Amino acid sequence: RKEVEQDPGPFNVPEGATVAFNCTYSNSASQSFFWYRQDCRKEPKLLMSVYSSGNEDGRFTAQLNRASQYISLLIRDSKLSDSATYLCVVNAYNNNDMRFGAGTRLTVKP
Amino acid sequence: NAGVTQTPKFQVLKTGQSMTLQCAQDMNHEYMSWYRQDPGMGLRLIHYSVGAGITDQGEVPNGYNVSRSTTEDFPLRLLSAAPSQTSVYFCASSYSIGSGANYEQYFGPGTRLTVT
Repeated sequence: RKEVEQDPGPFNVPEGATVAFNCTYSNSASQSFFWYRQDCRKEPKLLMSVYSSGNEDGRFTAQLNRASQYISLLIRDSKLSDSATYLCVVNAYNNNDMRFGAGTRLTVKP
Repeated sequence: NAGVTQTPKFQVLKTGQSMTLQCAQDMNHEYMSWYRQDPGMGLRLIHYSVGAGITDQGEVPNGYNVSRSTTEDFPLRLLSAAPSQTSVYFCASSYSIGSGANYEQYFGPGTRLTVT
């Protein structure tokens, strides 16, 4: 079983739609959680950290459920520019040893 | 401020050849890491370093060596390239953005390596 699992998609949604991605992780001792965004043939970039109480950044909301060991990302009012692959990242060992999910691909269409 | 730079951008090697992928950062970050990204696998950690002179193995270290003689540089060496090492390689540097293990990683643009 992979340490971090994501639905690979692809998710194809119209502009303005709300879309949600989930990610599960296997190490219950995991300390920190992130969502990264990766555009085609580019490097990953941090989208947002995920805090225990949940956090929001504009149209993006991240939630953490430690009991069920999953993380979610909600994107509201999708834009064409949101088309990318979204990577779930977990710091499983508290020492900068990050574990990445394989990514969920999103395409937003006009 | 260049951030994280990697060279070369592309490389083709024959099986058995050796080479070094270069990575440098100018942000004075303590932590640096090397990942490989393969289709359907996500990024997998090869080696990482928590400071100059200190390195450790990640998830997939076999076939790769690293050293960290300065804060800025973290080269990755392939001693004898194999087709299974065909991949996209990303270097990253990071710093703690809060208490505990909250690290934000900055990635270089990647090196696309093909081993024939």
